[in-house]
Amino acid sequence: EAGVVQSPRYKIIEKKQPVAFWCNPISGHNTLYWYLQNLGQGPELLIRYENEEAVDDSQLPKDRFSAERLKGVDSTLKIQPAELGDSAVYLCASSPGTGKTGELFFGEGSRLTVL
Amino acid sequence: KQEVTQIPAALSVPEGENLVLNCSFTDSAIYNLQWFRQDPGKGLTSLLLIQSSQREQTSGRLNASLDKSSGRSTLYIAASQPGDSATYLCAVYPLSSGSARQLTFGSGTQLTVLP
Repeated sequence: EAGVVQSPRYKIIEKKQPVAFWCNPISGHNTLYWYLQNLGQGPELLIRYENEEAVDDSQLPKDRFSAERLKGVDSTLKIQPAELGDSAVYLCASSPGTGKTGELFFGEGSRLTVL
Repeated sequence: KQEVTQIPAALSVPEGENLVLNCSFTDSAIYNLQWFRQDPGKGLTSLLLIQSSQREQTSGRLNASLDKSSGRSTLYIAASQPGDSATYLCAVYPLSSGSARQLTFGSGTQLTVLP
């Protein structure tokens, strides 16, 4: 069974440029998460979807970040414009059901470097 | 607000040694606790998940224990190998429902097993 797939794995951009990350969760997983991980830290939640509905986006910086999960499957996370402090790893995870079990399966992440 | 602490931040041991990684959390109202492994430049791989009603879980050379009342979990690794070198993160999933239901991660313990 395929795991959570993310692309691109690496992205280098100049500040003020836009960037987008894509995530394909495990088939049948209704809950999808985007996490931000800074070096030496644990992941921090940006947004959680249950099917196509964003049920928790309280930690998403909405002035520059946006996300969507059309049809309740794939998801895209966008940053526009990117700032130097956005350099980090963006992790996507999925969970079966509506997140009841709390067991998450992570992709390999998209590493963003903003110059 | 739940806080998860992992001490030490880094640990170096010779091959073959048994070792214990520690995780503590401030709010004991948890649904479960999960241990993850993260290799450099990679995503998180789930190792063990302990439900709040359980005391421990075992998988191969790994044993995780949970003492909810004291807010502590330990990950025991027997007969460590160089391939065990990675960062180990613990995360707790709260009992609360709705938008507050999200994993809170510790910052991880970076383990190096020397050949």
